[in-house]
Amino acid sequence: SYVLTQPPSVSVAPGKTARITCGGNNIGVKSVHWFQQKPGQAPVLVIYYDSARPSGIPERISGSNSGNTATLTISRVEAGDEADYHCQVWDSSSYHVVFGGGTKLTVL
Amino acid sequence: EVQLVESGGGLVRPGGSLRLSCAVSGFTFSNYEMNWVRQAPGKGLEWVAYIDSRSSRILYADSMRGRVTISRDNAKNSLYVQMNSLRVEDTAVYYCVREAEGSGSKFDYWGRGTLVTVSS
Repeated sequence: SYVLTQPPSVSVAPGKTARITCGGNNIGVKSVHWFQQKPGQAPVLVIYYDSARPSGIPERISGSNSGNTATLTISRVEAGDEADYHCQVWDSSSYHVVFGGGTKLTVL
Repeated sequence: EVQLVESGGGLVRPGGSLRLSCAVSGFTFSNYEMNWVRQAPGKGLEWVAYIDSRSSRILYADSMRGRVTISRDNAKNSLYVQMNSLRVEDTAVYYCVREAEGSGSKFDYWGRGTLVTVSS
C-alpha cells in the first residue's frame, strides 16, 4: 500500500519560514491535499491539488509537489500557525485515501 | 452554512457494535460523495470508508474491512457507519467528511467528530 512520510515535528521562530515535507513514491504525479488541525478541533483544508488555497486561507501558506516530495510552506510564521499538519492523497492503485502521519509545527 | 454533525459515539466493550450517524445541512447532500475518517488519541488521521452520492460505489480501509458498513439516506440528509467486532485499537474520534464534487478525495468540510472508546 502507498505510504506517506512526514517528519513528526518542525520548529520555527516567529516571522521565519516553515517547510513541512510529505514523502511518497513518485508523489509528484498525485494530487496532494494538506490539512491544519489545532488541538481539540477538526482538520481544516489549507491546500488542495498541490498548491491551491481555499478561500480564507492566507497567501503565506503555499504548497508544491515534485518527484518524491510534496512541501507545505508557511511564510512569516505566526503563533497562530502552531498546529498539526497532515498531507493526504488518493492512491488509485489500492482505491484508498492515504494520510501522512502528521507533523506538529511548533512556533518557538 | 455547511454543517456536519456526528453522533452515536460512546463507550463500548471489545467485540461490541456501534452505529455512528452524521446529520448534514447547508448543501445538497445527494450531490456529494462522503467519507468517514478517524483519529486515535494522539495519532494521525486514518481514512475509514467512502460512499458515492448514490451508494453505488463503496470503499473501505483494510483495517476495518469486514467489520464496517457505510451507508447513507439522501432523503434524511444523513450518513452512517455501522461498526462491528470492535477492538481496543478502534478507539478514536470519528469524523464525517464531505468530498468536494468531482474532486478526487478533496475533503473540504469536516464535522467535529464523535469519540468512540472501546474498553472493557
